Amino acid sequence: QSVLTQPPSVSGAPGQRVTFSCTGSSSNIGAGYDVHWYQQLPGTAPKLLIYGNRNRPSGVPDRFSGSKSGTSASLAITGLQAEDEADYYCQSYDSSLSGSVIFGGGTKLTVL
Amino acid sequence: QVQLVESGGGLVKPGGSLRLSCAASGFTLSHYYMSWIRQAPGKGLEWVSYMSSSGSIVYYADSVKGRFTISRDNAKNSLYMQMNSLRAEDTAVYYCGRAIPTYHDIPSAYFDYWGQGTLVTVSS
Repeated sequence: QSVLTQPPSVSGAPGQRVTFSCTGSSSNIGAGYDVHWYQQLPGTAPKLLIYGNRNRPSGVPDRFSGSKSGTSASLAITGLQAEDEADYYCQSYDSSLSGSVIFGGGTKLTVL
Repeated sequence: QVQLVESGGGLVKPGGSLRLSCAASGFTLSHYYMSWIRQAPGKGLEWVSYMSSSGSIVYYADSVKGRFTISRDNAKNSLYMQMNSLRAEDTAVYYCGRAIPTYHDIPSAYFDYWGQGTLVTVSS
């Protein structure tokens, strides 16, 4: 079971807006550590989508946006496209125990 | 352009060893922290290890501590992972990733480039 909790699946129709939640605790997101998001298309390596809670790397469309509040973070995709169908992972740092980089369990996006 | 290419994966028996390599190009490896991240078949991502640009700072996940050793050869633009005492639960695709630290004294980072991964299968 992942330290960061993500819903297993989300779906939406083309053109719609979808959101992905990432719920942590006081030892990770709630402690102020940044949240980052990755997109993993089927059969490929993960790709950085959002870093530092809300920043987009060069080349990532502004349809993708991130936010963070309290012990949770969210990723939103607007103008959903068929090629957005993928797994989405959140990532942060946890200071408990020996401390480590942590990932959420991932959310599978289905474009209807 | 930035490219990371992993190699060295394969089938190994429980208790065996394997050495993974990650060849970097398109950037100066010696300027960057690097990491290994793995993904078991059909599962999510799990961070494995993290090394500073000079190699002086190293961190491991508890699940591999004492069994895996990360290293780098900046002159060869390469990152390595020596994996000993392998277990069935180590079966995964292993990715190397370029790490951008968000704090200086803890292994907090994000990964801006990833390789295509190399599959390690531990089975008798």
